[in-house]
Amino acid sequence: ELKVEQNPLFLSMQEGKNYTIYCNYSTTSDRLYWYRQDPGKSLESLFVLLSNGAVKQEGRLMASLDTKARLSTLHITAAVHDLSATYFCAVDIGNNDMRFGAGTRLTVKP
Amino acid sequence: ETGVTQTPRHLVMGMTNKKSLKCEQHLGHNAMYWYKQSAKKPLELMFVYNFKEQTENNSVPSRFSPECPNSSHLFLHLHTLQPEDSALYLCASSLATGGHEQFFGPGTRLTVL
Repeated sequence: ELKVEQNPLFLSMQEGKNYTIYCNYSTTSDRLYWYRQDPGKSLESLFVLLSNGAVKQEGRLMASLDTKARLSTLHITAAVHDLSATYFCAVDIGNNDMRFGAGTRLTVKP
Repeated sequence: ETGVTQTPRHLVMGMTNKKSLKCEQHLGHNAMYWYKQSAKKPLELMFVYNFKEQTENNSVPSRFSPECPNSSHLFLHLHTLQPEDSALYLCASSLATGGHEQFFGPGTRLTVL
């Protein structure tokens, strides 16, 4: 059975701290996406990772992809309150299908 | 307007009603998608259209009927729904299928009584 597992599902962290969200998947894929969703809002695209070893950074967020390990990470540096949201990874499994993880609900506290 | 828009934003319907959800994209994309986001499940892909042709139907019950009259518009027709169909229905579009980045609309929050 195809699985896309995010870890942790809930994350509470203090401002200024660093942390990493993990996304493991069980099928072969070389395309992975990270999205952010604020409460009551839609999904906002953060990163598109298209090859093994891809690393992308935007502000305090950095995403990486290891297709051999079937693992992507989303690293948060010096968290601020505005980063509080739910973060989803999504894996392109071919045949026009994309599978999402359950999401990581991040809360950044002062 | 820009991006992907969806109407209505909220919908409450009885199990015997017929209603439709509308999605419109202003990005010049050729592929459009319907997703279901439930409280206790990961986001689920329902339908995929590429150049107005349906290319994917992920075993969705027939009480959900999609329609794509052109590359900019996508509808989801609903009839005889069940309470468990209550969810956030998200529309997305991308330049094409095959792994292109998808852009999501704000969603329609559906409640089936």
